[in-house]
Amino acid sequence: QSVLTQPPSVSAAPGQTVSISCSGSNSNIGRNYVSWYQHLPGTAPKLLIYDNNKRPSGIPDRFSASKSDTSATLGIAGLQTGDEADYYCLTWDSSLSTPNWLFGGGTKLTVL
Amino acid sequence: EVQLVESGGGLVQPGASLRLSCAASGFRVNADYMTWVRQAPGKGLEWVSVLYTDNNRDYADSVKGRFTISRHESKNTLYLEMKGLRPDDTAIYYCSRGRTAMGYYFESWGQGTRVTVSS
Repeated sequence: QSVLTQPPSVSAAPGQTVSISCSGSNSNIGRNYVSWYQHLPGTAPKLLIYDNNKRPSGIPDRFSASKSDTSATLGIAGLQTGDEADYYCLTWDSSLSTPNWLFGGGTKLTVL
Repeated sequence: EVQLVESGGGLVQPGASLRLSCAASGFRVNADYMTWVRQAPGKGLEWVSVLYTDNNRDYADSVKGRFTISRHESKNTLYLEMKGLRPDDTAIYYCSRGRTAMGYYFESWGQGTRVTVSS
């Protein structure tokens, strides 16, 4: 079980908006920046968001994100069938015992 | 255009060794930190290892002492030497280019190479 908790799955109809949460703690999300990735298994993961809420060039503004305290949220508006994928949050964990990167457990998005 | 191409995966027996390669183009592997991330069957993404520009490196506890990350600057290639492979190392292994803005993130990724550890 991942230290960063994401819902295993979310679903919504085309055109609707969906939110995916990522819950952590003071040693990870609480003090570090969060990035988000879209992944179709067997293909290259794709960076969607970095620095909590910034979009790389080429990522449409349908994708947005925010962070508050020890949680982060990815929002996808105007859902398209092509958005069906797994979504992961990523942050650095500052725990003295094992500082390293942590991925959330992943959320499978289904566009109904 | 940044491109990362992994190779070297395959089917090996428990206890065997394998070396993965990640050929980079469009940037220099010694100019950014580079990471390996894996995905076991039916599981999520798991960070494995990082190689910084100053040659410092770090590993997930699950692979520490068994895996070694390195780079060949003239070949512009990242490597992951894996020894003492176990069935739970079975996964698709991805290399990625790390970047830093306010925080760290993994900007570009390869398509992955599959490693299967089974007798």
